[in-house]
Amino acid sequence: AQSVTQLGSHVSVSEGALVLLRCNYSSSVPPYLFWYVQYPNQGLQLLLKYTSAATLVKGINGFEAEFKKSETSFHLTKPSAHMSDAAEYFCAVKAGRGGSEKLVFGKGTKLTVNP
Amino acid sequence: EAQVTQNPRYLITVTGKKLTVTCSQNMNHEYMSWYRQDPGLGLRQIYYSMNVEVTDKGDVPEGYKVSRKEKRNFPLILESPSPNQTSLYFCASSFRQGNQPQHFGDGTRLSIL
Repeated sequence: AQSVTQLGSHVSVSEGALVLLRCNYSSSVPPYLFWYVQYPNQGLQLLLKYTSAATLVKGINGFEAEFKKSETSFHLTKPSAHMSDAAEYFCAVKAGRGGSEKLVFGKGTKLTVNP
Repeated sequence: EAQVTQNPRYLITVTGKKLTVTCSQNMNHEYMSWYRQDPGLGLRQIYYSMNVEVTDKGDVPEGYKVSRKEKRNFPLILESPSPNQTSLYFCASSFRQGNQPQHFGDGTRLSIL
């Protein structure tokens, strides 16, 4: 079975500072991993995905994430935060290689960007 | 434009009055799923469908029904809504290849009084 832990339900950074949102996963098979972003009053939008190709994955809006198998982590980073990055971010895991289609979500991290 | 469309976006209703939330996708996706989102709990799967006429329970199916008579539509039915079903609901769809991301609708906010 798959599970996801997002460390920190709230993260606050200053505009221009590094953004680091943490995600650790558990999976009995090699996983597929996703980061989604949710802006207020909107649905979830895909930021990036890891599907066993490159371990460093680049997404939209300047975000990237690195898959580290030894640490079972898939942390999301952005070098310089912008006010428009304020949103809630969800890490999600799915069993890879023909496993279940079920997507298991973490509980989310709300990012605040201070001017 | 590729999209998942949910209706209504907002609904306030009373306990016991049957309601249906519709979901439609135009991407020819086989897989569709319903989630509810509650503060501090993230998204939890209610029901999912692997294809037409194939549905199964997710993690929190109690009090909900679904049907999948056509590939594009996956309605969520609350036969007798109760206040604990007050939540934000999302429909999602994807191709049945594990590395494909799910596409989400804009959500339906239900308040059951």
